[in-house]
Amino acid sequence: SYELTQPLSVSVALGQTARITCGGNNIGSKNVHWYQQKPGQAPVLVIYRDSNRPSGIPERFSGSNSGNTATLTISRAQAGDEADYYCQVWDSSTEVFGGGTKLTVL
Amino acid sequence: QLQLQESGSGLVKPSQTLSLTCAVSGGSISSGGYSWSWIRQPPGKGLEWIGYIYHSGSTYYNPSLKSRVTISVDRSKNQFSLKLSSVTAADTAVYYCARVDYGDSYWYFDLWGRGTLVTVSS
Repeated sequence: SYELTQPLSVSVALGQTARITCGGNNIGSKNVHWYQQKPGQAPVLVIYRDSNRPSGIPERFSGSNSGNTATLTISRAQAGDEADYYCQVWDSSTEVFGGGTKLTVL
Repeated sequence: QLQLQESGSGLVKPSQTLSLTCAVSGGSISSGGYSWSWIRQPPGKGLEWIGYIYHSGSTYYNPSLKSRVTISVDRSKNQFSLKLSSVTAADTAVYYCARVDYGDSYWYFDLWGRGTLVTVSS
């Protein structure tokens, strides 16, 4: 089965740029989606199909995908961006989630 | 504005069947060509996809749960449902329903319910 690997945690200084990675075998050939989950809340889609932002998601959120790594980039990080972030792909009619990354804004 | 709301028993005894319903409001479950899905999250852990039901009514399940899962849709009530049989403590989780947008080689969950906690305990 396909596996996605995310760092357990990422820290970023307020106003700086955070990068959260999602590793997988030849993930660049797949469509990657990203979700933000704040404590006690349901996940929210922030990036779909590698680099597209749903309506209402700030331009500070962007995504890229190449080779064996997909990356979610959060520019000008704010305190409100503190959350868990999950990547997700579709593989062989199965949905696969990464283990999640906790983003801390210092 | 479309909204999803989970409901069902919050406490299920081991070996029994977990039953949940997701009510869709603000729009028709039959419009737009979307699929509908269930996802769960054990306390303090990550997300696990359970399965989905296509717009056509076909279903696909997580292979690790396939033998115990049934997802169905009731278009007259604008809702879809999850049944998970022979539950154990490992099935304790927050259960989310979600709408699935899909196309060639991609599926993603663009709208989620708020989730409901189901505890398996005697």
